[in-house]
Amino acid sequence: DIQMTQSPSSLSASVGDRVTITCRASQSISTYLNWYQQRPGKAPKLLIYTASSLQSGVPSRFSGSGSGTDFTLTISSLQAEDFATYYCQQSYGNSWTFGQGTKVEIK
Amino acid sequence: EVQLVESGGGLVQPGGSLRLSCAASGFTFSSYWMSWVRQAPGKGLEWVANIKQDGSEKYYVDSVKGRLTISRDNAKNSLYLQVNSLRAEDTAVYYCVREARERLSLADWGQGTLVTVSS
Repeated sequence: DIQMTQSPSSLSASVGDRVTITCRASQSISTYLNWYQQRPGKAPKLLIYTASSLQSGVPSRFSGSGSGTDFTLTISSLQAEDFATYYCQQSYGNSWTFGQGTKVEIK
Repeated sequence: EVQLVESGGGLVQPGGSLRLSCAASGFTFSSYWMSWVRQAPGKGLEWVANIKQDGSEKYYVDSVKGRLTISRDNAKNSLYLQVNSLRAEDTAVYYCVREARERLSLADWGQGTLVTVSS
């Protein structure tokens, strides 16, 4: 199986900060990489698909980049509602895997 | 509006079985791949299985092969997950998920149903 490693595991940031989360795959996955946001007690929500495409309805402060094995999720100006846990997920082949998650907390 | 409503969770003894259901509405169910994703308490997400529109293809994460069976009934707009030989490590919230049209992402999620395996 393809292993997905996110960094950092957690971070503290303030409203208005620029936040970057990275995700690394154990082998090349082209751009078959998605990002999800999960607020406490809620189901995950798709933010970015195929590495850089913004899901409909997701604010433009979220962006994604990367290909091959290295990917990045960027929040350009953190808002109060963005404090949550973020997961990357690869959809290369028939067995999909998630990263371990990055918790974004209030500083 | 896409709606996915899971049911069938609960407390089960180790070694027992459970059948989870997902009632889908608001879209043409037979046109989409569907997945199950689970999350153990306080832990991350784990994709478990998915199934093609007509049920002809099914894929599973290696750790559950042989114990979990995904199925669907397009006439009833329903997705199922049969879980056998339950273990403590199967304790989790199980989410029903509609995949994107291109089958490249997990686009729409239900609210989940909790399965607790304990004696």
